[in-house]
This record gives sequence, C-alpha cells and structure tokens, in this order.
Amino acid sequence: DTAVSQTPKYLVTQMGNDKSIKCEQNLGHDTMYWYKQDSKKFLKIMFSYNNKELIINETVPNRFSPKSPDKAHLNLHINSLELGDSAVYFCASSQNRAAGYTFGSGTRLTVV
Amino acid sequence: SQQGEEDPQALSIQEGENATMNCSYKTSINNLQWYRQNSGRGLVHLILIRSNEREKHSGRLRVTLDTSKKSSSLLITASRAADTASYFCATDGEAAGNKLTFGGGTRVLVKP
Repeated sequence: DTAVSQTPKYLVTQMGNDKSIKCEQNLGHDTMYWYKQDSKKFLKIMFSYNNKELIINETVPNRFSPKSPDKAHLNLHINSLELGDSAVYFCASSQNRAAGYTFGSGTRLTVV
Repeated sequence: SQQGEEDPQALSIQEGENATMNCSYKTSINNLQWYRQNSGRGLVHLILIRSNEREKHSGRLRVTLDTSKKSSSLLITASRAADTASYFCATDGEAAGNKLTFGGGTRVLVKP
C-alpha cells in the first residue's frame, strides 16, 4: 500500500548513459514533484507537475526531462549522465501545499 | 541558496532528554513544515504550522513560529532512540515561488 513509490531504489550506471526513474502515487493527489538530495543532504526542487501540467521547472540541465502521462505518474528521464548527477532523487506528491508532501523512499543514483 | 537554515547542524542527546532545533528563513511564508528523514529513507511529514499560528503540538512534538523573527523551533520531548534521524524545516510562500524550500537539516542522535 505504498503511497508514493519510486523505482528503481538503486541505480548504478556509467557516464554518458541515459536512464529513467519512475514514480507513481496512489493518493489521488493533483501535484507531483521531483527533488534532488545531494551528499550534504540539501534538498532542492527540480520539477513540479499539477494534473499533468508542468508548473515548476527550476534551473536544471535540459538533460533532465520529466514526463507525466497522467496525474498519478511522474517519471524522470536523464540523458548523458554525468558524475555530478550522482545523488538521491525523491519523488513527492501533495493535494495542496497546505497539507504537506508525501515523499517516496528515494532513488540513489550513482554515476561511475 | 536555502530558504531555511537549521541550527544546530547536529545534536546528540540521551534517551529521555528533550531535543530542540531551530529554523530561520528569509522571506515571508504561508506555512512552515517539519519533516523527519531516517537514514536511507524518504522524508516523513511531521507537522505544518501556518503563518498566523504561533504554536502547534502533535504527540511529543511542539513547534513554534515567530514570523517577526522569521524563525521556528521544533521540540521533541522525552526523546527515544527511534527519534534518531535528520529533521528538516521547509517553507512555502509566494516570495519563494510557491515551492516548498528545505533547509539543510539537523541530524539528531538519541543514545540509549
């Protein structure tokens, strides 16, 4: 009964590869997010979608492309992976900002 | 730059003691939220306090908000070993682009 589920949990890949992380929420929330947590634990928002529409697009390299086929899914595709992309990526969802966010358990991406 | 900054960065206490951590932020907010992150896991929403509220309780948690000082505190009373985690404050407001912006977190270690 996981509310926000991400796959895979771990991802090790070589520089230059293209990879995707999938996220699904079964809470019926309208808004979904991708956050990046670096090695110092700082969390930074990358993207936000509301009902399949992009509403927040932070200064993220255009190698990162989110895709929302429906409001329950928000996937993250990364092209030409670089060493600096290594981090933990969290998906989250919310019904509205006044209710708090529900986070997935994260995807630890390691680029070698 | 981070909107919220937690203080201290790390805290070590004995089981049964109280743990207090503070969060300062820079711009006006609609609400401030506290999250817990256990090692290797996602963030869990603990409590949300609105800008017109001064204090909120949830179980052993007590949150205060002082908008004049742009600061908040989280108090965990009668701490348990299971409270060992990182605690993050996050702010939401128009000035920050209507996105939830996190501080760097306080790492709390509760020793049995």
